Amino acid sequence: NAGVTQTPKFRILKIGQSMTLQCTQDMNHNYMYWYRQDPGMGLKLIYYSVGAGITDKGEVPNGYNVSRSTTEDFPLRLELAAPSQTSVYFCASRGQGIVTGNTIYFGEGSWLTVV
Amino acid sequence: EDKVVQSPLSLVVHEGDTVTLNCSYEVTNFRSLLWYKQEKKAPTFLFMLTSSGIEKKSGRLSSILDKKELFSILNITATQTGDSAIYLCAVDGGGSNYKLTFGKGTLLTVNP
Repeated sequence: NAGVTQTPKFRILKIGQSMTLQCTQDMNHNYMYWYRQDPGMGLKLIYYSVGAGITDKGEVPNGYNVSRSTTEDFPLRLELAAPSQTSVYFCASRGQGIVTGNTIYFGEGSWLTVV
Repeated sequence: EDKVVQSPLSLVVHEGDTVTLNCSYEVTNFRSLLWYKQEKKAPTFLFMLTSSGIEKKSGRLSSILDKKELFSILNITATQTGDSAIYLCAVDGGGSNYKLTFGKGTLLTVNP
């Protein structure tokens, strides 16, 4: 059981470039999230999804896009990278219900630098 | 908008000390409060609290929730250098999307 898998782990982008952070989970979770964490800060929600075909904005969605074509995958796209998007990105998922719905599973993180 | 405030933001102690980390929150509909430990990678789950006054304990770590005063504390006794980490508090605001709102975290440094 792999849990939540994020790729790549590290990436350096030039200003204006585009890229996609991949996230996949094998726990059949409906709920998936993308967070970013800046130095000295907690996690801020970028986008989330409550199921395949359904996505919604979090606190800091500007400059990002997501899609959820399958239950397993929730990629995050940066269209025109900016230095302000230098951060650590975490994908997460959780199940639903009394036992499984209250534990969120995180990926290992993706360190992104925009120069 | 849901809000979570942690204090202190950073703390330096010596091995063997006892520390108390604080988390206060304002949410629309409270479902649960969670504590995480983060050591240079993904946060790892420590506790989930849903009811007031019931202490959760795991080894030297314990946590309790006060839903009337809207806060939680995380205690670590007999600290060790391996306890050095960022401790994150998060609240599930009760929506159908199960979103978590995180505080900024407390950076704990335990010196030998």
